[in-house]
Amino acid sequence: EAGVAQSPRYKIIEKRQSVAFWCNPISGHATLYWYQQILGQGPKLLIQFQNNGVVDDSQLPKDRFSAERLKGVDSTLKIQPAKLEDSAVYLCASSPRTGFTNTGELFFGEGSRLTVL
Amino acid sequence: KQEVTQIPAALSVPEGENLVLNCSFTDSAIYNLQWFRQDPGKGLTSLLLIQSSQREQTSGRLNASLDKSSGRSTLYIAASQPGDSATYLCAVRGGSGGSNYKLTFGKGTLLTVNP
Repeated sequence: EAGVAQSPRYKIIEKRQSVAFWCNPISGHATLYWYQQILGQGPKLLIQFQNNGVVDDSQLPKDRFSAERLKGVDSTLKIQPAKLEDSAVYLCASSPRTGFTNTGELFFGEGSRLTVL
Repeated sequence: KQEVTQIPAALSVPEGENLVLNCSFTDSAIYNLQWFRQDPGKGLTSLLLIQSSQREQTSGRLNASLDKSSGRSTLYIAASQPGDSATYLCAVRGGSGGSNYKLTFGKGTLLTVNP
């Protein structure tokens, strides 16, 4: 079974530029998550999708971050304009639906490391 | 608001030693708890998932226990090897209040196993 795919693995940009990250979840997984992980910290949830609908985006800085999951499969996370503090690893994860709840096991991709200069 | 704490933040042990990593959470109304491993520059690899109704899960040399009422979980690693060196993260699903399916992570324990 193929895992969660993410690209690019690394990206270096200057502040105020834009960047986009792509994620393809495990086939059949209804729930997709984007996490931000700053060095030395645990991952912080940015946005959670159930199929193509947003379940939780309470911690997404909506003035600069946007995400979409068209057709309920792959997803794109965009940052525009980037700030220095956005330097982090952006992790995508997916989980299968478990009955009527979103409590399935999470599977992560390798992550996209962003450096903002 | 659910908070997850992992102690110690870092641990260094000689090869072959048995060790315990600790995870505590403030809200016991959880659905499950998941332990992950993260190698430097990599994503998270799922190790064990314990449902709220379970007391422990085992996979090879790893054993995770859950005491929901006291808000604690431990990850036991038997006969540690240098290849076990990584950051181990604990994540709790759920808690009281809104977004009760939300996954909350600890900051992790950095484990170094010395040959």
